[in-house]
Amino acid sequence: QKEVEQNSGPLSVPEGAIASLNCTYSDRGSQSFFWYRQYSGKSPELIMSIYSNGDKEDGRFTAQLNKASQYVSLLIRDSQPSDSATYLCAVIKASGSRLTFGEGTQLTVNP
Amino acid sequence: DVKVTQSSRYLVKRTGEKVFLECVQDMDHENMFWYRQDPGLGLRLIYFSYDVKMKEKGDIPEGYSVSREKKERFSLILESASTNQTSMYLCASTLGYYGYTFGSGTRLTVV
Repeated sequence: QKEVEQNSGPLSVPEGAIASLNCTYSDRGSQSFFWYRQYSGKSPELIMSIYSNGDKEDGRFTAQLNKASQYVSLLIRDSQPSDSATYLCAVIKASGSRLTFGEGTQLTVNP
Repeated sequence: DVKVTQSSRYLVKRTGEKVFLECVQDMDHENMFWYRQDPGLGLRLIYFSYDVKMKEKGDIPEGYSVSREKKERFSLILESASTNQTSMYLCASTLGYYGYTFGSGTRLTVV
């Protein structure tokens, strides 16, 4: 079992729709959870962090965390073509500060 | 904003050469990391460091070494470059359990 798994892509949504990206993790003691966006040829950019159960909203982005189900998600409302990128889920496990990344989900928003 | 600077954006080296990839951060972060990113394999941790002169192996340290003589600088060394080390190399830094800030990456080609 992979430590961090993301829903297989690629994911394609029309402009204005909600894009839903999902991630599960294996270490029940994980403390911190992050979503990164990576445009083609660029380095990952942190867009959301979440540390406790529930929802966290930032503009059009909402991160959801359910520690009991070991599940993290990212919702992008009113998707725009500029949201087209690969989204990486990352988790800090119970000890240390090293991030473990999922393989990413490629999102395409069609005009 | 934290800035993480990688010295080269693109590098072409010959098989057997010793290669140095430099990374500098300007926010007094203790933790620094080197990843490589390959299509289909995601981000894989090579080495990391929690303090000056301290280093820890990541998931794929073979063929690499690191140096951290000053807090702000973390160098990745390819002792004898091989074609299977052709990749995108990403440096990151963080303070504690917060998300990483990545450098812009170095695309290394070994011929």
